[in-house]
Amino acid sequence: AQSVTQLDSQVPVFEEAPVELRCNYSSSVSVYLFWYVQYPNQGLQLLLKYLSGSTLVKGINGFEAEFNKSQTSFHLRKPSVHISDTAEYFCAVSDYSQGGSEKLVFGKGTKLTVNP
Amino acid sequence: NAGVMQNPRHLVRRRGQEARLRCSPVKGHSHVYWYRQLPEEGLKFMVYLQKENIIDESGMPKERFSAEFPKEGPSILRIQQVVRGDSAAYFCASSPLVGTDTQYFGPGTRLTVL
Repeated sequence: AQSVTQLDSQVPVFEEAPVELRCNYSSSVSVYLFWYVQYPNQGLQLLLKYLSGSTLVKGINGFEAEFNKSQTSFHLRKPSVHISDTAEYFCAVSDYSQGGSEKLVFGKGTKLTVNP
Repeated sequence: NAGVMQNPRHLVRRRGQEARLRCSPVKGHSHVYWYRQLPEEGLKFMVYLQKENIIDESGMPKERFSAEFPKEGPSILRIQQVVRGDSAAYFCASSPLVGTDTQYFGPGTRLTVL
């Protein structure tokens, strides 16, 4: 069974500092990988996704993530955060071997708090 | 373009009552997923439906929970005889008919069981 581990439940940072949110996954097959962001009392918004090709993926709001197959990781980074980036971030994996759109397996989330 | 719509956004029920959660997917999307988010937890898959078919219900509790996605109208997640442990946020996601990897999420329904 697939699983996703987000190593940090909470990450506090100061505004304009860099941030990395860590995500490791386990899967017996090749996967698609996703990062979603959830603002308070809202639904999930897709930040970026890795399907194939370049291991460095750029997303919205200045975020990027790097797929590392040997380390089974997909860490999310931003070089300079803003107050508005305060939210909860979820890493997710799907099993594309079954074809088409399949269920997502989510990590428990990382709460990013950006302080002035 | 309207995104995924869910209603109600907030639902309060007393123990033993029924809860009905509705999800209207993005226009043209025929795949619907339901997820549940318990407090301090990530989202857990419940069920995957296509029009008039349940494709994968491996995440659904065996009792009291059911889901449908009729030919016309929204998808419905139904919880009978709710208990306090059902209190959670329920999210619906949809994806298009042609195979795709991205699921688009609705704003969720927050169910509170008193």
